[in-house]
Amino acid sequence: DVKVTQSSRYLVKRTGEKVFLECVQDMDHENMFWYRQDPGLGLRLIYFSYDVKMKEKGDIPEGYSVSREKKERFSLILESASTNQTSMYLCASRNSFKGEQYFGPGTRLTVT
Amino acid sequence: GDSVTQMEGPVTLSEEAFLTINCTYTATGYPSLFWYVQYPGEGLQLLLKATKADDKGSNKGFEATYRKETTSFHLEKGSVQVSDSAVYFCALGTQGGSEKLVFGKGTKLTVNP
Repeated sequence: DVKVTQSSRYLVKRTGEKVFLECVQDMDHENMFWYRQDPGLGLRLIYFSYDVKMKEKGDIPEGYSVSREKKERFSLILESASTNQTSMYLCASRNSFKGEQYFGPGTRLTVT
Repeated sequence: GDSVTQMEGPVTLSEEAFLTINCTYTATGYPSLFWYVQYPGEGLQLLLKATKADDKGSNKGFEATYRKETTSFHLEKGSVQVSDSAVYFCALGTQGGSEKLVFGKGTKLTVNP
């Protein structure tokens, strides 16, 4: 079974802090994705990476950056956290030859 | 652009009732279609998928048929259980090398005993 793990289930940070969210997958997938999930808005794509060191902006990249130095790891970075970044963050990975994405358990981030 | 519209929730049913959650899409080309389920406190899990017109995806008693003529992919189950209580997301896969998913806003289902 594919396993996607995220570094924290719950995280509380202060406004202005730099925040790192880590995601690791164990199936040698080429593609990895970061979403945020908010009530009434569903899932929105922040960034994705189709291979190591490759990245593309999703629908809501403002205030975020990403890093993919190794195939199995995809990091989401909040350079200066703000309260409107309080959300559930979901990571996913995908084999480039198959359609479905596999999701991690999510990190619920609260910025105070 | 590509989009997915699914019925607003929440939906509340009694155990053994019939379930339908409507999903329609707008897309260029021939997208793949998916239903994902999110149980409380967890990430999303793939429930079923269909990759071309008239395909039927099925899993755990749930079914959905890819209808190109009506651009729909409605989720159905003949007899729901309390354990089916979750949020259900319809999604389409955009075409291209690194296929992105476009999600509906989710429908929360509660099944009462």
